[in-house]
Amino acid sequence: DGGITQSPKYLFRKEGQNVTLSCEQNLNHDAMYWYRQDPGQGLRLIYYSQIVNDFQKGDIAEGYSVSREKKESFPLTVTSAQKNPTAFYLCASSVTGGVQNEQFFGPGTRLTVL
Amino acid sequence: GENVEQHPSTLSVQEGDSAVIKCTYSDSASNYFPWYKQELGKRPQLIIDIRSNVGEKKDQRIAVTLNKTAKHFSLHITETQPEDSAVYFCAASRNNNDMRFGAGTRLTVKP
Repeated sequence: DGGITQSPKYLFRKEGQNVTLSCEQNLNHDAMYWYRQDPGQGLRLIYYSQIVNDFQKGDIAEGYSVSREKKESFPLTVTSAQKNPTAFYLCASSVTGGVQNEQFFGPGTRLTVL
Repeated sequence: GENVEQHPSTLSVQEGDSAVIKCTYSDSASNYFPWYKQELGKRPQLIIDIRSNVGEKKDQRIAVTLNKTAKHFSLHITETQPEDSAVYFCAASRNNNDMRFGAGTRLTVKP
């Protein structure tokens, strides 16, 4: 299960606060992804990055922001603009090279808004 | 963008029976179709994948079939065991790395 880590495992936020979820990988993967998982809705893509200093919005990017300053790191900030942030957040990474390949997932962060 | 639909949402089978989960996709340019298994409280893990240049792939008790014309693909698990109980997700992607997932199927294998 090593190679891609997320922290913290559990996170509690008060309404109106921004919080940042950490995602780190030592797999030398170029591509990294953030997904939100809600019961019965599968994994929904928030943001993805194919290379350092570049990222694209996924299907539900509103209220979230990301950065990709280093290859190993892809932090996700949940802003106060996200109306329903309570969810399980999964980070993933994969090799690129022109074709899609297996995504390796981190253990996830469960965010609860109090 | 890509839209992936997955059925059924829940599936219960007796140990030893087969289980089939089906997915459809909307983007005819999608060329990579993985299946992930997520056990309770754990991260999703790849169990099998298929690319658009083949129609079927098998790995022991697990097989995936792809029909590009109809834009659907299926996961087949034979001789199911209680440890196969989990949530299974299908996904579809082009080369540009933005993968889309189905909503998941909760499989229960009853001993």
